[in-house]
Amino acid sequence: DIQVTQSPSFLSASVGDRVTITCRASQGISSFLAWYQQKPGEAPKLLIYAASTLQSGVPSRFSGSGSGTEFTLTISSLQPEDFATYYCQQLDSYPPTFGQGTRLEIK
Amino acid sequence: DVQLVETGGGLIQPGGSLRLSCAASGFIVSSNYMSWVRQAPGKGLEWLSVIYRGGTTYYADSVKGRFTISRDDSKNTLYLQMSSLRDEDTAVYYCAREVVTVGLDVWGKGTTVTVSS
Repeated sequence: DIQVTQSPSFLSASVGDRVTITCRASQGISSFLAWYQQKPGEAPKLLIYAASTLQSGVPSRFSGSGSGTEFTLTISSLQPEDFATYYCQQLDSYPPTFGQGTRLEIK
Repeated sequence: DVQLVETGGGLIQPGGSLRLSCAASGFIVSSNYMSWVRQAPGKGLEWLSVIYRGGTTYYADSVKGRFTISRDDSKNTLYLQMSSLRDEDTAVYYCAREVVTVGLDVWGKGTTVTVSS
């Protein structure tokens, strides 16, 4: 199975900050990576697919990059509604494993 | 409007069985790949199973041989039959639509399964 490691596990930031979350795959997965946002008590929401393509309706302050084994999710200017937990998921092969999550909290 | 609604969760004793349902509206289940994902209390997301349009299925090692994914095309509904349940199966169970190489683009709100004596 492909292992997916996210860092950091926890991030404290302020409104307006630029933040970056990293996801590393244990082997090359081309661009088959998705990012999700989950708020407490809610289902996850697809933000980015194919490593860098924004899902319809997702604000442009979110961006993704990377290919192969290293990927990043960047939020250019944090808004209050962005404080949540973020997960990456590799879609190269089954099982489509998730990263362990990054909890983004208000400083 | 595209929507998924899970039902069937509850409290079940270890070793017991439970069937979860996921009713879809706004799209056809049998024309899509459909998956189950779970989240244990305070933990991350764990992919469990997928059923392809043609009926091919895949499972995570953690549930293989105990869980069975299926669908009823006449009811536009996805199912997860769970047996030999363990304490560690306690989680919120989500169904989701999977788009190949894109990810899980539609999610239900989840149903809670608690395995405890």
